[in-house]
Amino acid sequence: EAGVAQSPRYKIIEKRQSVAFWCNPISGHATLYWYQQILGQGPKLLIQFQNNGVVDDSQLPKDRFSAERLKGVDSTLKIQPAKLEDSAVYLCASSTNYEQYFGPGTRLTVT
Amino acid sequence: GEDVEQSLFLSVREGDSSVINCTYTDSSSTYLYWYKQEPGAGLQLLTYIFSNMDMKQDQRLTVLLNKKDKHLSLRIADTQTGDSAIYFCALVKGNTPLVFGKGTRLSVIA
Repeated sequence: EAGVAQSPRYKIIEKRQSVAFWCNPISGHATLYWYQQILGQGPKLLIQFQNNGVVDDSQLPKDRFSAERLKGVDSTLKIQPAKLEDSAVYLCASSTNYEQYFGPGTRLTVT
Repeated sequence: GEDVEQSLFLSVREGDSSVINCTYTDSSSTYLYWYKQEPGAGLQLLTYIFSNMDMKQDQRLTVLLNKKDKHLSLRIADTQTGDSAIYFCALVKGNTPLVFGKGTRLSVIA
């Protein structure tokens, strides 16, 4: 069974630029999550989707972050414009029942 | 304080047992998890325990849950150099998202 796929793996941008991350969850997983992991911290939830509907986006900085999950499968997370403090690893995860599986993450560096 | 707390570092000798500890504040947590993160990689689900269980064993891994003290531990028997990584405790209540600790960096000395 293929795992959660993410791209790109690394991205370096300047502040005020835009960036987008892509995630393909495990086949059949209805729930998809985006987490932000700052260096030295545990992951923190940004947004949770159930199929193509948003379940929880209370921690998403909506003035600059947006996410969508078209057709209830792939998802994209966008940051526009980026700030220095957005430098982090962005992890996508998908779940079925009680098991949540993570992708390899995208390491974003904002200079 | 933090919802989930872990000590930051643990160092053990190869072949010894490692015990990684976690304390939490929400007594209504339903599932408690252990994830492993190697450098540059995502999080790997190691094991999890339901809140009505006290112990779960899976090969070299033993999870102990003390609900009274809100304490979760992960014991790794016969620790190997490949076990060197950051280990995250995480918990969930119902349909709420996972809440993670800051992680414990395990270093295995050959």
